[in-house]
Amino acid sequence: KQEVTQIPAALSVPEGENLVLNCSFTDSAIYNLQWFRQDPGKGLTSLLLIQSSQREQTSGRLNASLDKSSGRSTLYIAASQPGDSATYLCAVRPGSARQLTFGSGTQLTVLP
Amino acid sequence: NAGVTQTPKFQVLKTGQSMTLQCAQDMNHEYMSWYRQDPGMGLRLIHYSVGAGITDQGEVPNGYNVSRSTTEDFPLRLLSAAPSQTSVYFCASSYSRASNQPQHFGDGTRLSIL
Repeated sequence: KQEVTQIPAALSVPEGENLVLNCSFTDSAIYNLQWFRQDPGKGLTSLLLIQSSQREQTSGRLNASLDKSSGRSTLYIAASQPGDSATYLCAVRPGSARQLTFGSGTQLTVLP
Repeated sequence: NAGVTQTPKFQVLKTGQSMTLQCAQDMNHEYMSWYRQDPGMGLRLIHYSVGAGITDQGEVPNGYNVSRSTTEDFPLRLLSAAPSQTSVYFCASSYSRASNQPQHFGDGTRLSIL
């Protein structure tokens, strides 16, 4: 059974810092991996989706990498801002399954 | 552009009551799914549908029913509410289950069972 782990569960950084969020998964046979952002009381917003054949994806200040062989993905946030404060979740789509398997998220707080 | 719309946003039920959580999408997506989110456990799949008239069970289907009579709507029914079903429920959709496109989520329904 695929398991997805995100460490740390919570992270607090001062504004302007570059930071990395980690995601690991147990089964490397994935179709793709997706990073989401969740604001309090809201749904999930897709940030980046990386196909299994890709190594990284970039959108603005965000860069997500994927290393399938080691079962790891990272989300890099450059020059963090207080507006980046949210919970970040990663989810993998196993190659043969229909659903996403989610990690429990990292709650990020960027202090002004 | 509404995206995925869930109603109601909040609901309180008594044990044993039944109710339907509504989900509608206006993006002509084939694939729709329901998740529940509990503290420290991430999101877990309840049921999903790959198209009108086709549904299947996810990881935690017990106590829930679904149907998909149209492409747009995918309601989730709680048959006899139990306190263990207190959770936040999210509906999601995407173009197809094999799509390279991301899944889109609604804002959730926060459900409390007393």
